[in-house]
Amino acid sequence: DAGVTQSPTHLIKTRGQQVTLRCSPKSGHDTVSWYQQALGQGPQFIFQYYEEEERQRGNFPDRFSGHQFPNYSSELNVNALLLGDSALYLCASRPYGGTEAFFGQGTRLTVV
Amino acid sequence: GQNIDQPTEMTATEGAIVQINCTYQTSGFNGLFWYQQHAGEAPTFLSYNVLDGLEEKGRFSSFLSRSKGYSYLLLKELQMKDSASYLCAVVGGSYIPTFGRGTSLIVHP
Repeated sequence: DAGVTQSPTHLIKTRGQQVTLRCSPKSGHDTVSWYQQALGQGPQFIFQYYEEEERQRGNFPDRFSGHQFPNYSSELNVNALLLGDSALYLCASRPYGGTEAFFGQGTRLTVV
Repeated sequence: GQNIDQPTEMTATEGAIVQINCTYQTSGFNGLFWYQQHAGEAPTFLSYNVLDGLEEKGRFSSFLSRSKGYSYLLLKELQMKDSASYLCAVVGGSYIPTFGRGTSLIVHP
């Protein structure tokens, strides 16, 4: 079992650009959540997907959007990148109704 | 909204016991998680409490008091590899998990 996999591991983008991050959940997991973790901070919840729909959303602007595919994998899209979007982006998966979430290694996004 | 407070940093000696506290204020309560995160790595699940009391799992134990809005993570027989950040996360009435800033634990010989 590969666990939760995220790609790419590192990314450098210019202010104003758009970025897409990808996540494959752990086998058997159908619920995927995305988090933003700034340096020295705890992860902040962005949104959660289940059955290809956004089910819950944290306090993030509409520049942050996502998608879930029929195979449960997910994408996080961020438009009009700001310097403040530089962070570690974490994906977590769990079975629907399950409590234990498994995190991927994250994508380190740097906006210059 | 939710507010979670945990100490920024703690130090302890190898072989000792350390208690990491977490206090929270939340609208509704649907559970409290503890995660361990080594530098540059993903958080890994340690424990989940939804009812009051102590949950023991090997060298790690987690306690919850819902009436006091308080939890602690107890680490026994500390090892050097336990040096990491420990994250407290509360799931409130909206079922959205809110993480604290994390407690950086430094274990020294």
